[in-house]
Formats: sequence, structure tokens, C-alpha cells
Amino acid sequence: ETGVTQTPRHLVMGMTNKKSLKCEQHLGHNAMYWYKQSAKKPLELMFVYNFKEQTENNSVPSRFSPECPNSSHLFLHLHTLQPEDSALYLCASSHTWDPNTEAFFGQGTRLTVV
Amino acid sequence: KQEVTQIPAALSVPEGENLVLNCSFTDSAIYNLQWFRQDPGKGLTSLLLIQSSQREQTSGRLNASLDKSSGRSTLYIAASQPGDSATYLCAATQGAQKLVFGQGTRLTINP
Repeated sequence: ETGVTQTPRHLVMGMTNKKSLKCEQHLGHNAMYWYKQSAKKPLELMFVYNFKEQTENNSVPSRFSPECPNSSHLFLHLHTLQPEDSALYLCASSHTWDPNTEAFFGQGTRLTVV
Repeated sequence: KQEVTQIPAALSVPEGENLVLNCSFTDSAIYNLQWFRQDPGKGLTSLLLIQSSQREQTSGRLNASLDKSSGRSTLYIAASQPGDSATYLCAATQGAQKLVFGQGTRLTINP
């Protein structure tokens, strides 16, 4: 148990669907992140939130829309996705966005777009 | 742009052997270097974090070293066990938690 919980663990969606991924942390952290892990590619940072404010958008297409209502919850809203968006989406959190604080990762949501 | 490379991509060794996983990075302006473990279909577990001012960190049978000037880090695993089988990822932290990951080394320890 890492303290970072992601739901659902698996998701299959059509290209016209709208779905959301949820991440919750009970570690008292103030920074949260979305990462994408595609087959045969390194983990890629997508978004960074620090104290509920988005501080980084790593050139992510607008069909991915993050939301951070409070420091404990992070969502990734998905719409009009493409098959190449199929990947493992990982959420992480850290005490602050200080680069020398350890990041804790969730188990991930395995997304398949059909 | 920072690039992180891990060699080999896969490694299979008999139980009990000591082994070394390699990680190289192109930009030495890093805050730290982190090693993670990922089990199939699972998230990442942090193993060791080496600050840029440090040369090595140890945790149990794991020892990680960092040589910023040459852009290299190694993860040494002593007396390997089947439970060590997993994918090991290294990540260079550029700033504000911008982790740049390598593609990982898939390690298999054979009983």
C-alpha cells in the first residue's frame, strides 16, 4: 500500500466516450502528478499540480483534461481519445514540488481505447 | 533536453548472484537521481534517491552510486533473490519534480 490510490485499475473505452480517472492520496502531500507509460516508451510526465494549481502541462493534447479540486484528489478527464492513447496512467504525489522530496506512485490505471 | 538510458534492457541471472544495473543521463544539471522498482502491471516503488551532492546511497542489499560528471548511475543488488525480479527504472530529476525516466531494465532472477 503506497498511500496513493487510483481508480479504476482497468478501463476500456471507445473513441467517442467520456471517462475520468481518479487519484487519491492520504499522505498529506501538496503536489500531485499524472504520468503516462506507453509500451516501449519511457514514463512521461503529463501534468503537475502544486497546492491545487497546475504548474506544468507537458504539451499534452486537450483531449486530456486534469482537475485538482483539493490537495488530496486529482482527476484526469478523458474525451475523444485515440487508440494510441492506450497506456498505463500513473498518478504520483510528493510533500511539495521540491525536487528533493520523494515521489510516491499509485498502482496505475490500465487504459485501452478501442 | 535530458535523455536517460538504461542498459541492458533485460537481464537474467541465477539466484544468489550480485548484479549491476546501469543508468546514464545526458545533462548533469540534475537535483537527484532516483531508482524505482515496477512489478508487472503495477505502479512504481521508490528504492533509493541520491542527491546531486552525494556519491552513493544504500538500503539493505541495494547500493546506488552517482557520478554526475560522467552522467552515470549504477544500482548494485547483492545476493539476488527471485523476489527481486521486476523492472528497475532510473529517473533524473531536473527540477520541480520533473522526473525524466529511462526505459527500464527488466530483471529476472532464476531460482
